[in-house]
Amino acid sequence: DAKTTQPTSMDCAEGRAANLPCNHSTISGNEYVYWYRQIHSQGPQYIIHGLKNNETNEMASLIITEDRKSSTLILPHATLRDTAVYYCIVSALGRGKLIFGQGTELSVKP
Amino acid sequence: NAGVTQTPKFQVLKTGQSMTLQCAQDMNHNSMYWYRQDPGMGLRLIYYSASEGTTDKGEVPNGYNVSRLNKREFSLRLESAAPSQTSVYFCASSVDLRYEQYFGPGTRLTVT
Repeated sequence: DAKTTQPTSMDCAEGRAANLPCNHSTISGNEYVYWYRQIHSQGPQYIIHGLKNNETNEMASLIITEDRKSSTLILPHATLRDTAVYYCIVSALGRGKLIFGQGTELSVKP
Repeated sequence: NAGVTQTPKFQVLKTGQSMTLQCAQDMNHNSMYWYRQDPGMGLRLIYYSASEGTTDKGEVPNGYNVSRLNKREFSLRLESAAPSQTSVYFCASSVDLRYEQYFGPGTRLTVT
């Protein structure tokens, strides 16, 4: 599985968009980009995933660069409840083995 | 619809004791997983079960055994607990290996 690099921490003002970057320069053609988050001490929560096209759901948008070497998770209107550790994971579909790195600790401030 | 449930929530063991962590899901998922999370770290996969009747090792299987009891239940057993197994254990399930995973609330285990 390709490795990912994320900033250790980020701050965002409540109501503003939170843009969380992820580098995955060694991603293979059959590997997807997954995003999960973990709110303090709880089990991780799935957010979104994509292969090469941009994706959007009710929680977030995922923008993947054309060369697929990096991506950005966008929370359009961050709230205090979005304060969490966000994990960017690269894995082949069907592999089932998610490798969690250190993630980005996002703090949403009033 | 409870999702993924884990028992117990907390447990303290002495070195050498054994115990089984229980996990159940009510979403009719085929695949189930066990992870551990050490302080300040991401989750690491211990074992997973792609479907009922199958189990496979993950990143850190040593010191653990698993049983896929039926489609709903996947248990994790520590035969002889060690302090290095102090961690938070999360169970997860998914429709199958291709789909997103849903996690339980975790079991906080301390081995003294």
